[in-house]
Amino acid sequence: TQLLEQSPQFLSIQEGENLTVYCNSSSVFSSLQWYRQEPGEGPVLLVTVVTGGEVKKLKRLTFQFGDARKDSSLHITAAQPGDTGLYLCAGAEGGSQGNLIFGKGTKLSVKP
Amino acid sequence: GAVVSQHPSWVICKSGTSVKIECRSLDFQATTMFWYRQFPKQSLMLMATSNEGSKATYEQGVEKDKFLINHASLTLSTLTVTSAHPEDSSFYICSARGGTGGTYEQYFGPGTRLTVT
Repeated sequence: TQLLEQSPQFLSIQEGENLTVYCNSSSVFSSLQWYRQEPGEGPVLLVTVVTGGEVKKLKRLTFQFGDARKDSSLHITAAQPGDTGLYLCAGAEGGSQGNLIFGKGTKLSVKP
Repeated sequence: GAVVSQHPSWVICKSGTSVKIECRSLDFQATTMFWYRQFPKQSLMLMATSNEGSKATYEQGVEKDKFLINHASLTLSTLTVTSAHPEDSSFYICSARGGTGGTYEQYFGPGTRLTVT
């Protein structure tokens, strides 16, 4: 079974600061997805990265998939209180139709 | 697009009773649906995977006779927690994946909070 290590586990920052969340594995994933989850709600898909080295931007969020497709990062520029939530990375194992393996999540708190 | 709904959003039941949770894909046909369980401050734990018209595949350690899953159509899957006990109290989330060939994305429902008293 492939494992995803996500770091940091907790992050508390001030509004306006930048941050990076990392998702690492020793295994190769066919794709990797990032989700954001708020308390009492289901995860919401932010982005899917498929190609090694791929970079995708979603407003102030930048997602990168490692060249070897074993790791990924999420960078948030000028964080805002509305960015607060649990960020989860998930890798698809065993090909495109495989199950998602979730990291343990990064709980982000952005204080005004 | 890609909206998944769950019903109910929360439920309280007495120990020993059964509870059914519905998961629907509203604007796409879900060939595969997944059921997860999430404990407070923890990540999602996959319970089972179901494909339309076939039996669900359960993850190791998940009792198939206790957590009954039915995926009768391409837009509906149900999870029935039978003879519920307080330790079954948790946040249950379904997700759905549709399309063919290279469709990696799963869309999640809003979750169902189950409390067993």
